[in-house]
Amino acid sequence: GQNIDQPTEMTATEGAIVQINCTYQTSGFNGLFWYQQHAGEAPTFLSYNVLDGLEEKGRFSSFLSRSKGYSYLLLKELQMKDSASYLCAVRPYSGAGSYQLTFGKGTKLSVIP
Amino acid sequence: NAGVTQTPKFQVLKTGQSMTLQCAQDMNHEYMSWYRQDPGMGLRLIHYSVGAGITDQGEVPNGYNVSRSTTEDFPLRLLSAAPSQTSVYFCASSYSRAANSYEQYFGPGTRLTVT
Repeated sequence: GQNIDQPTEMTATEGAIVQINCTYQTSGFNGLFWYQQHAGEAPTFLSYNVLDGLEEKGRFSSFLSRSKGYSYLLLKELQMKDSASYLCAVRPYSGAGSYQLTFGKGTKLSVIP
Repeated sequence: NAGVTQTPKFQVLKTGQSMTLQCAQDMNHEYMSWYRQDPGMGLRLIHYSVGAGITDQGEVPNGYNVSRSTTEDFPLRLLSAAPSQTSVYFCASSYSRAANSYEQYFGPGTRLTVT
């Protein structure tokens, strides 16, 4: 089976840094995605990690440790518009099933002034 | 490019009615999928397709049918709507050989209520 855990909710202050954790136990691993989803909207792609280490993209960074089954999304210089749900998703399969993603339940981040 | 489009945006059905949710993409993606999103449950895969003429079941397929006659279109059919199918439905597409990318692009969603 597939199991992906994220905190349900987090609150952080505008201008601060927040780290959203994701742990996974899946039947296989071929990459991990982070998506952002504003209320009432579709998820949008943030990052994709396949190898261990930190990937930085502007104010957002994503880290992966395959041996620990662990990833985090780091958001710096928080802005009010960062209030959204953040979804962690794993590609468990390779080959013909490699397009499938298994999603965690998402972390709702509230940014306060 | 329009990306992934879905119609309708909102729909109310009575129990037992059938309907088709439409999904189309213009990015020449091989892979298309349907998810439902319920509060506290995250995105759950209903059905997916790895190319025209090929479909398979995901995590929660019961009560839904799909077909993929063209690369562009992937409709989802509700056979006999039940209140448990009240949800937000997202269509997504992924993978272009040219881009060698597995990023999934989501449509805007269909909000379905079954009474």
